Amino acid sequence: EIVLTQSPATLSLSPGERATLSCRASQSVRNYLAWYQQKPGQAPRLLIYDTSNRATGIPARFSGSGSGTDFTLTISSLEPEDFVVYHCQQRSDWPITFGQGTRLEIK
Amino acid sequence: QVQLQESGPGLVKPSETLSLTCTVSGGSIDNYYWSWIRHPPGKGLEWIGYIYPTGSTHYKSSLKSRVTISVDTSKNQFSLNVISVTAADTAVYYCARSGGNWYYIWGQGTLVTVSS
Repeated sequence: EIVLTQSPATLSLSPGERATLSCRASQSVRNYLAWYQQKPGQAPRLLIYDTSNRATGIPARFSGSGSGTDFTLTISSLEPEDFVVYHCQQRSDWPITFGQGTRLEIK
Repeated sequence: QVQLQESGPGLVKPSETLSLTCTVSGGSIDNYYWSWIRHPPGKGLEWIGYIYPTGSTHYKSSLKSRVTISVDTSKNQFSLNVISVTAADTAVYYCARSGGNWYYIWGQGTLVTVSS
Protein backbone atom coordinates (compact mmCIF):
# COMPACT_ATOMS: atom_id res chain seq x y z
CA GLU A 1 0.00 0.00 0.00
CA ILE A 2 1.32 3.45 -0.91
CA VAL A 3 1.65 5.63 2.18
CA LEU A 4 1.19 9.37 1.76
CA THR A 5 2.84 11.57 4.37
CA GLN A 6 1.68 15.16 4.62
CA SER A 7 3.71 17.89 6.24
CA PRO A 8 3.45 19.86 8.29
CA ALA A 9 0.56 18.49 10.32
CA THR A 10 -0.40 22.06 11.19
CA LEU A 11 0.64 25.22 9.37
CA SER A 12 0.16 28.62 11.02
CA LEU A 13 0.03 31.60 8.67
CA SER A 14 -1.74 34.93 8.26
CA PRO A 15 -4.26 35.99 5.62
CA GLY A 16 -2.49 37.25 2.53
CA GLU A 17 0.54 35.01 3.05
CA ARG A 18 1.62 32.17 0.78
CA ALA A 19 1.02 28.59 1.93
CA THR A 20 3.05 25.60 0.85
CA LEU A 21 1.76 22.15 1.81
CA SER A 22 3.71 18.97 1.15
CA CYS A 23 2.68 15.39 0.34
CA ARG A 24 5.32 12.69 0.03
CA ALA A 25 4.58 9.19 -1.31
CA SER A 26 6.33 6.01 -0.16
CA GLN A 27 6.82 5.07 -3.82
CA SER A 28 6.27 6.81 -7.13
CA VAL A 29 2.67 7.71 -7.93
CA ARG A 30 3.72 9.25 -11.28
CA ASN A 31 1.49 12.32 -11.57
CA TYR A 32 -1.60 10.62 -10.13
CA LEU A 33 -2.03 12.83 -7.10
CA ALA A 34 -4.97 14.98 -5.99
CA TRP A 35 -5.65 17.53 -3.27
CA TYR A 36 -8.90 18.03 -1.35
CA GLN A 37 -10.06 20.80 0.95
CA GLN A 38 -12.28 19.96 3.91
CA LYS A 39 -14.20 22.53 5.91
CA PRO A 40 -15.57 21.67 9.37
CA GLY A 41 -18.65 19.48 9.20
CA GLN A 42 -18.41 19.14 5.42
CA ALA A 43 -17.23 16.51 3.00
CA PRO A 44 -13.89 16.95 1.24
CA ARG A 45 -13.94 19.00 -1.96
CA LEU A 46 -11.66 18.20 -4.89
CA LEU A 47 -9.23 21.07 -5.55
CA ILE A 48 -6.49 19.65 -7.76
CA TYR A 49 -6.19 16.39 -9.74
CA ASP A 50 -3.39 14.81 -11.77
CA THR A 51 -0.92 16.91 -9.74
CA SER A 52 -1.66 20.29 -11.25
CA ASN A 53 -5.15 20.47 -12.79
CA ARG A 54 -7.64 22.63 -10.95
CA ALA A 55 -11.11 21.17 -10.59
CA THR A 56 -14.11 23.11 -11.86
CA GLY A 57 -14.73 26.32 -9.93
CA ILE A 58 -11.48 26.27 -7.96
CA PRO A 59 -9.85 29.70 -7.67
CA ALA A 60 -6.54 30.34 -9.40
CA ARG A 61 -4.77 30.99 -6.09
CA PHE A 62 -4.65 27.20 -5.65
CA SER A 63 -1.94 25.41 -7.61
CA GLY A 64 -0.28 22.00 -7.49
CA SER A 65 3.12 20.75 -8.56
CA GLY A 66 5.47 17.80 -8.26
CA SER A 67 5.99 14.35 -9.68
CA GLY A 68 7.00 10.87 -8.57
CA THR A 69 7.09 11.00 -4.78
CA ASP A 70 7.09 14.70 -3.85
CA PHE A 71 4.14 17.01 -4.34
CA THR A 72 3.17 20.51 -3.26
CA LEU A 73 -0.08 22.40 -2.92
CA THR A 74 0.46 26.16 -3.00
CA ILE A 75 -2.07 28.78 -2.01
CA SER A 76 -0.65 32.04 -3.33
CA SER A 77 -2.45 34.50 -1.04
CA LEU A 78 -4.50 33.09 1.80
CA GLU A 79 -8.12 34.10 2.18
CA PRO A 80 -9.93 33.69 5.53
CA GLU A 81 -11.94 30.72 4.18
CA ASP A 82 -8.74 28.82 3.31
CA PHE A 83 -7.90 28.07 6.94
CA VAL A 84 -9.20 24.51 6.99
CA VAL A 85 -7.86 20.98 6.40
CA TYR A 86 -6.21 19.69 3.22
CA HIS A 87 -5.82 16.04 2.16
CA CYS A 88 -3.76 14.49 -0.61
CA GLN A 89 -4.80 11.28 -2.43
CA GLN A 90 -3.11 8.95 -4.92
CA ARG A 91 -4.71 6.77 -7.58
CA SER A 92 -1.54 5.27 -9.02
CA ASP A 93 -2.01 1.91 -7.34
CA TRP A 94 -4.61 -0.02 -5.38
CA PRO A 95 -5.72 0.57 -2.76
CA ILE A 96 -6.39 4.24 -3.25
CA THR A 97 -4.84 6.02 -0.28
CA PHE A 98 -5.01 9.42 1.37
CA GLY A 99 -2.60 11.38 3.53
CA GLN A 100 -3.24 12.22 7.17
CA GLY A 101 -4.13 15.81 6.38
CA THR A 102 -2.62 19.25 7.01
CA ARG A 103 -4.53 21.76 9.10
CA LEU A 104 -4.03 25.38 8.05
CA GLU A 105 -4.63 27.71 10.98
CA ILE A 106 -4.62 31.46 11.41
CA LYS A 107 -1.48 32.76 13.08
CA GLN B 1 -27.02 18.84 -9.91
CA VAL B 2 -26.19 15.38 -8.60
CA GLN B 3 -26.43 15.00 -4.83
CA LEU B 4 -25.62 12.07 -2.57
CA GLN B 5 -27.15 11.33 0.82
CA GLU B 6 -26.03 8.66 3.27
CA SER B 7 -28.53 7.04 5.62
CA GLY B 8 -28.37 4.38 8.31
CA PRO B 9 -27.94 3.83 12.03
CA GLY B 10 -25.52 6.07 13.88
CA LEU B 11 -24.80 3.49 16.57
CA VAL B 12 -23.86 -0.15 16.04
CA LYS B 13 -22.91 -2.70 18.69
CA PRO B 14 -19.59 -4.53 18.53
CA SER B 15 -19.70 -7.76 16.50
CA GLU B 16 -22.85 -6.63 14.68
CA THR B 17 -23.29 -5.41 11.09
CA LEU B 18 -22.97 -1.81 9.94
CA SER B 19 -25.37 -1.03 7.09
CA LEU B 20 -25.51 2.25 5.18
CA THR B 21 -27.30 3.35 2.03
CA CYS B 22 -26.41 6.16 -0.34
CA THR B 23 -29.23 7.71 -2.36
CA VAL B 24 -28.30 9.44 -5.60
CA SER B 25 -30.54 12.32 -6.67
CA GLY B 26 -30.44 14.74 -9.59
CA GLY B 27 -28.91 12.19 -11.94
CA SER B 28 -28.70 8.53 -12.86
CA ILE B 29 -26.55 6.01 -11.04
CA ASP B 30 -25.67 4.49 -14.42
CA ASN B 31 -22.27 4.90 -16.06
CA TYR B 32 -20.33 6.02 -12.98
CA TYR B 33 -18.27 4.39 -10.25
CA TRP B 34 -19.62 4.76 -6.73
CA SER B 35 -17.42 4.48 -3.66
CA TRP B 36 -17.47 4.36 0.09
CA ILE B 37 -14.80 6.25 2.01
CA ARG B 38 -14.52 6.64 5.77
CA HIS B 39 -12.73 9.02 8.12
CA PRO B 40 -11.88 7.57 11.53
CA PRO B 41 -11.38 10.15 14.29
CA GLY B 42 -7.83 11.44 14.36
CA LYS B 43 -6.81 9.52 11.25
CA GLY B 44 -6.69 10.02 7.49
CA LEU B 45 -9.42 9.23 5.02
CA GLU B 46 -9.69 5.54 4.11
CA TRP B 47 -11.04 4.22 0.83
CA ILE B 48 -13.25 1.16 1.39
CA GLY B 49 -14.32 0.10 -2.09
CA TYR B 50 -16.38 0.86 -5.17
CA ILE B 51 -19.20 -0.55 -7.25
CA TYR B 52 -20.22 -0.04 -10.88
CA PRO B 53 -23.92 -0.26 -11.77
CA THR B 54 -23.33 -3.62 -13.48
CA GLY B 55 -22.47 -4.95 -10.01
CA SER B 56 -18.71 -5.07 -10.48
CA THR B 57 -16.90 -4.31 -7.22
CA HIS B 58 -13.40 -3.70 -5.88
CA TYR B 59 -12.53 -3.57 -2.18
CA LYS B 60 -9.56 -2.58 -0.06
CA SER B 61 -7.89 -5.93 0.55
CA SER B 62 -7.60 -5.49 4.32
CA LEU B 63 -11.39 -5.00 4.56
CA LYS B 64 -12.47 -7.41 1.85
CA SER B 65 -13.44 -10.24 4.19
CA ARG B 66 -15.92 -8.01 6.05
CA VAL B 67 -17.25 -5.59 3.44
CA THR B 68 -19.96 -5.85 0.79
CA ILE B 69 -21.07 -3.05 -1.52
CA SER B 70 -24.27 -3.55 -3.51
CA VAL B 71 -26.35 -1.47 -5.90
CA ASP B 72 -30.07 -1.07 -6.61
CA THR B 73 -30.33 0.79 -9.90
CA SER B 74 -34.15 0.87 -9.74
CA LYS B 75 -33.89 2.99 -6.58
CA ASN B 76 -30.76 4.89 -7.63
CA GLN B 77 -29.07 3.66 -4.46
CA PHE B 78 -25.99 1.76 -3.42
CA SER B 79 -25.21 0.28 -0.04
CA LEU B 80 -22.40 -0.71 2.29
CA ASN B 81 -22.39 -3.62 4.74
CA VAL B 82 -19.56 -4.19 7.19
CA ILE B 83 -19.84 -7.31 9.33
CA SER B 84 -18.28 -8.04 12.73
CA VAL B 85 -17.61 -4.41 13.54
CA THR B 86 -15.27 -3.23 16.28
CA ALA B 87 -14.45 0.17 17.73
CA ALA B 88 -11.91 0.57 14.91
CA ASP B 89 -14.84 0.87 12.49
CA THR B 90 -16.05 4.04 14.21
CA ALA B 91 -15.81 6.79 11.58
CA VAL B 92 -17.63 9.30 9.45
CA TYR B 93 -18.71 7.34 6.39
CA TYR B 94 -18.99 9.07 3.03
CA CYS B 95 -20.38 7.91 -0.27
CA ALA B 96 -18.83 9.46 -3.33
CA ARG B 97 -18.90 9.45 -7.13
CA SER B 98 -15.60 9.18 -8.88
CA GLY B 99 -14.25 9.99 -12.28
CA GLY B 100 -10.91 8.40 -13.03
CA ASN B 101 -10.64 7.57 -9.32
CA TRP B 102 -10.82 11.21 -8.29
CA TYR B 103 -13.78 12.00 -6.04
CA TYR B 104 -15.75 14.87 -7.49
CA ILE B 105 -19.07 14.46 -5.68
CA TRP B 106 -19.48 13.46 -2.03
CA GLY B 107 -22.34 12.92 0.36
CA GLN B 108 -22.37 15.00 3.53
CA GLY B 109 -21.15 12.05 5.58
CA THR B 110 -22.69 10.15 8.46
CA LEU B 111 -21.04 9.34 11.78
CA VAL B 112 -21.22 5.69 12.79
CA THR B 113 -20.13 4.83 16.31
CA VAL B 114 -19.43 1.26 17.34
CA SER B 115 -20.19 0.89 21.02
CA SER B 116 -22.19 -1.29 23.35
